[in-house]
Amino acid sequence: GAGVSQSPRYKVTKRGQDVALRCDPISGHVSLYWYRQALGQGPEFLTYFNYEAQQDKSGLPNDRFSAERPEGSISTLTIQRTEQRDSAMYRCASSALPGQGAYEQYFGPGTRLTVT
Amino acid sequence: AQSVTQLDSHVSVSEGTPVLLRCNYSSSYSPSLFWYVQHPNKGLQLLLKYTSAATLVKGINGFEAEFKKSETSFHLTKPSAHMSDAAEYFCVVSPRGGSYIPTFGRGTSLIVHP
Repeated sequence: GAGVSQSPRYKVTKRGQDVALRCDPISGHVSLYWYRQALGQGPEFLTYFNYEAQQDKSGLPNDRFSAERPEGSISTLTIQRTEQRDSAMYRCASSALPGQGAYEQYFGPGTRLTVT
Repeated sequence: AQSVTQLDSHVSVSEGTPVLLRCNYSSSYSPSLFWYVQHPNKGLQLLLKYTSAATLVKGINGFEAEFKKSETSFHLTKPSAHMSDAAEYFCVVSPRGGSYIPTFGRGTSLIVHP
């Protein structure tokens, strides 16, 4: 079946512009996670949802970052007034059951964001 | 609080020789532990997971890992490396309590020489 998809795969934007990154999880998956991955580093947690409820957003770097999952399926990560330091790979993952630590995550291919 | 330390940023082996990728962790809660692999320009794929059943866990492609609570380690091994194993490997600790937020290690790049 279809895996996790993300769009766009690549995004180049100018500093100060807003961007919206989309994640389409595996159908029926309850939990959805967003991560940011810098070059040469492991993914860093940003936020996660169970169904449509945002359970934890402690990893969002500042208030320019926000995420939503209004119908418990597709999620959007929005970065307002982008800065060069926001350039990174943004990864989405979904999990079949609520995030209780024991369940594997299925990752999408990521969105490579470059802020010029 | 939790953390993951992957002790080697790069590991280089010859094809057909054993692989050892080291991972140590700390966690306030009894953890689940995972190894993921990332091939170039691909998403992360689960290799194996430990969730409190058998301490020796077998995964895909001949990989296995042993959970050693006394050493807080979860090292990944494979008896014989294949060229297709060349990739980035991430150790992940995920608490089964508290915040339920996974923490990834920095990754170990496995290089396989012919």
